[in-house]
Amino acid sequence: DAGVIQSPRHEVTEMGQEVTLRCKPISGHDYLFWYRQTMMRGLELLIYFNNNVPIDDSGMPEDRFSAKMPNASFSTLKIQPSEPRDSAVYFCASSFGPLASYIRFGPGTRLTVT
Amino acid sequence: RKEVEQDPGPFNVPEGATVAFNCTYSNSASQSFFWYRQDCRKEPKLLMSVYSSGNEDGRFTAQLNRASQYISLLIRDSKLSDSATYLCVVREGNMLTFGGGTRLMVKP
Repeated sequence: DAGVIQSPRHEVTEMGQEVTLRCKPISGHDYLFWYRQTMMRGLELLIYFNNNVPIDDSGMPEDRFSAKMPNASFSTLKIQPSEPRDSAVYFCASSFGPLASYIRFGPGTRLTVT
Repeated sequence: RKEVEQDPGPFNVPEGATVAFNCTYSNSASQSFFWYRQDCRKEPKLLMSVYSSGNEDGRFTAQLNRASQYISLLIRDSKLSDSATYLCVVREGNMLTFGGGTRLMVKP
């Protein structure tokens, strides 16, 4: 398979701008996860979907963050307005079934907000 | 207190050495346990699951102690290619919680 696909791979933007990160999960996977990784906080789960429905968004830091999954093959994570503290690597991951054991990560989007 | 705690390292070891990493978790109801490996500027990838009876995969041995809420990973005969960050992972329901990772550097 092509694996989880994320775009863009790198994003540099100015504070206050809107940022949209995109993800295509592995075909057939019914769970999709958005994680954020920083040196200080490690890998944090932001939100996850099951069959395109958001199940738990308790990790979303604040209202500036939103995520959607309009269909089984596409998801977006949007930050509006962006702030320097949002700088991190954002990973999308997907898995098949409820156990989330063999979660497959995408290559990540490295976001820098200046 | 973090839900999954690891010594961040780095552990600097020579090739051929045996090295062990430990991890503790706070939720006694955690259901499954894993070790993931993350290379520099790459995504995490599953290394191995951790079973209650302990399990081995080549040079890698994982152990679980539910009473102490403690997980370990032992790497024997370290290779240069083992240099990476090793993430302890705990599953609760449908969610995986990652430790901060332990960095290993294997030197020639």
